[in-house]
Amino acid sequence: DAKTTQPPSMDCAEGRAANLPCNHSTISGNEYVYWYRQIHSQGPQYIIHGLKNNETNEMASLIITEDRKSSTLILPHATLRDTAVYYCIVRVADTGGFKTIFGAGTRLFVKA
Amino acid sequence: GAVVSQHPSWVICKSGTSVKIECRSLDFQATTMFWYRQFPKQSLMLMATSNEGSKATYEQGVEKDKFLINHASLTLSTLTVTSAHPEDSSFYICSARVGDSNQPQHFGDGTRLSIL
Repeated sequence: DAKTTQPPSMDCAEGRAANLPCNHSTISGNEYVYWYRQIHSQGPQYIIHGLKNNETNEMASLIITEDRKSSTLILPHATLRDTAVYYCIVRVADTGGFKTIFGAGTRLFVKA
Repeated sequence: GAVVSQHPSWVICKSGTSVKIECRSLDFQATTMFWYRQFPKQSLMLMATSNEGSKATYEQGVEKDKFLINHASLTLSTLTVTSAHPEDSSFYICSARVGDSNQPQHFGDGTRLSIL
């Protein structure tokens, strides 16, 4: 089972910041938080990942709380093309390594 | 960088035939690749982890004799759906990881398989 919980859907106005929350209360100290998104009928796209410090790249920013039990993905200026399902993932430990298990994600609708 | 190519992008075939799907890492070497399946309006489901030069590790409930995985090189993994039936129709997606185990996965664009 996925180790994260996310709201099923969110709306955002075009040009505004989209803030997508994720809870991962059982995360251990050395596990990363990964964010991917999936636009309809395509493979998932990697967005960003982090351990404890906030991270920023050309796509988004990732804010991780100090206790690491939750995080927020920020798309600073959402566009219509950002409409997608966003997945927050903490990997599951397994014999021989880690597995990336996808939950239901958050369906983000960016509206004009 | 970190491009994963999947081929074919879609395939339609008759029930009972076998279908091979290729997953290639174009600009990096991938010791580990992953295969997922996604049904309409559902999330991705991990099918198996493919390690170069060794047998794949299948998730519980995935038939290893039905879904044959071969990872013969550091840039190629294949998934063969044997004796495919309509219930095998799905969106199959592969991914590969660059570098150490904490690095993210990069996904192919998926293969839409339809069995008639």
